[in-house]
Amino acid sequence: DGGITQSPKYLFRKEGQNVTLSCEQNLNHDAMYWYRQDPGQGLRLIYYSQIVNDFQKGDIAEGYSVSREKKESFPLTVTSAQKNPTAFYLCASRKRGNPQETQYFGPGTRLLVL
Amino acid sequence: GNSVTQMEGPVTLSEEAFLTINCTYTATGYPSLFWYVQYPGEGLQLLLKATKADDKGSNKGFEATYRKETTSFHLEKGSVQVSDSAVYFCALSDGGAQKLVFGQGTRLTINP
Repeated sequence: DGGITQSPKYLFRKEGQNVTLSCEQNLNHDAMYWYRQDPGQGLRLIYYSQIVNDFQKGDIAEGYSVSREKKESFPLTVTSAQKNPTAFYLCASRKRGNPQETQYFGPGTRLLVL
Repeated sequence: GNSVTQMEGPVTLSEEAFLTINCTYTATGYPSLFWYVQYPGEGLQLLLKATKADDKGSNKGFEATYRKETTSFHLEKGSVQVSDSAVYFCALSDGGAQKLVFGQGTRLTINP
């Protein structure tokens, strides 16, 4: 089955610790995105990547880092510089080339601070 | 910049009632418009979309029409079911990278 997988489903972070959220897709999509969702709010864009080895900051990139070494994978690291990391993190991907192509979302990772 | 404003929630209806969730947007150019649905603890699923003015998106009994003159994309359903209980997000696509800009979401609860 084609789709987007995110792991783990729940992640706990201690103060001062970096943690990495995994996002993998087997849809052969070129573009991948990370969003953050806070309770009662919409999603906000953290980072996005349109091709391998290239990525751009979104609206709330501070305290986060990403890499795009493979087309299928777009991991997000939440660094210790992110002072309020508790949120639901959603990864999405999309085929490029046609502006009408839709973004498809993974099931999300909930990050909690201990 | 581009933005999306959704009807404040939560919205509570009885089964078989008519549903409208309002969505208006501010954008330069001609974005595509989307409605996504999120069930508890899950990611987002695309419900419907429209890519140009006067287009109507529809799926599972839900409909929304891209109204350029009123910059709106209101979600409607003629007869809701308990299984429609979820959070609904209106969104627009922004620029060549197709970044999505979301409204704040509207929580819908349908009582039997």
